[in-house]
Amino acid sequence: AQSVTQPDIHITVSEGASLELRCNYSYGATPYLFWYVQSPGQGLQLLLKYFSGDTLVQGIKGFEAEFKRSQSSFNLRKPSVHWSDAAEYFCAVHGSSNTGKLIFGQGTTLQVKP
Amino acid sequence: DSGVTQTPKHLITATGQRVTLRCSPRSGDLSVYWYQQSLDQGLQFLIQYYNGEERAKGNILERFSAQQFPDLHSELNLSSLELGDSALYFCASSVEVDSPLHFGNGTRLTVT
Repeated sequence: AQSVTQPDIHITVSEGASLELRCNYSYGATPYLFWYVQSPGQGLQLLLKYFSGDTLVQGIKGFEAEFKRSQSSFNLRKPSVHWSDAAEYFCAVHGSSNTGKLIFGQGTTLQVKP
Repeated sequence: DSGVTQTPKHLITATGQRVTLRCSPRSGDLSVYWYQQSLDQGLQFLIQYYNGEERAKGNILERFSAQQFPDLHSELNLSSLELGDSALYFCASSVEVDSPLHFGNGTRLTVT
């Protein structure tokens, strides 16, 4: 069955430092992969997606992610974190080719130190 | 603003009661999804509708039901509510089944 693992429940980085959030997936075929961000009291906002092609994808707010099939990973990165990036981040995989449902990881909470 | 509208924003009710959560998808989106978010279970897929028909079912309890109407809005009905049903319920929509999902801001349900 498809699944997503985000090994880090909570990460703290200093403002201006680089960030990498880890995501590992389990999926039989070529996956569709997504990163979403959830700010307190808000819904989930799509940061970026990977469907096919270039394995390095660019998203909004300066985020990027790299798909590595050999490692079953889709890690999210940002070169310089801003205080406003503090939020919860979710990695997701397309659950089925017949539906659009997403399978989400447990999420990683990012705290940014001034 | 994702364009997905959920009402109400908050709902407080007692055990045993029944509530209805409403979702209006983005204009043009045919697919509607319902998710439940709780601290212990994370984001759990409940059910999906595509153009009025049920397309996929997830971890949805028998006490819960949903439907999508001809104007494409959707309702999630939760009955015989238990304390454990307290959660944030999200609706999302997409144009097609292989398109990204766009989420509403959720309905926070508190069962007392």
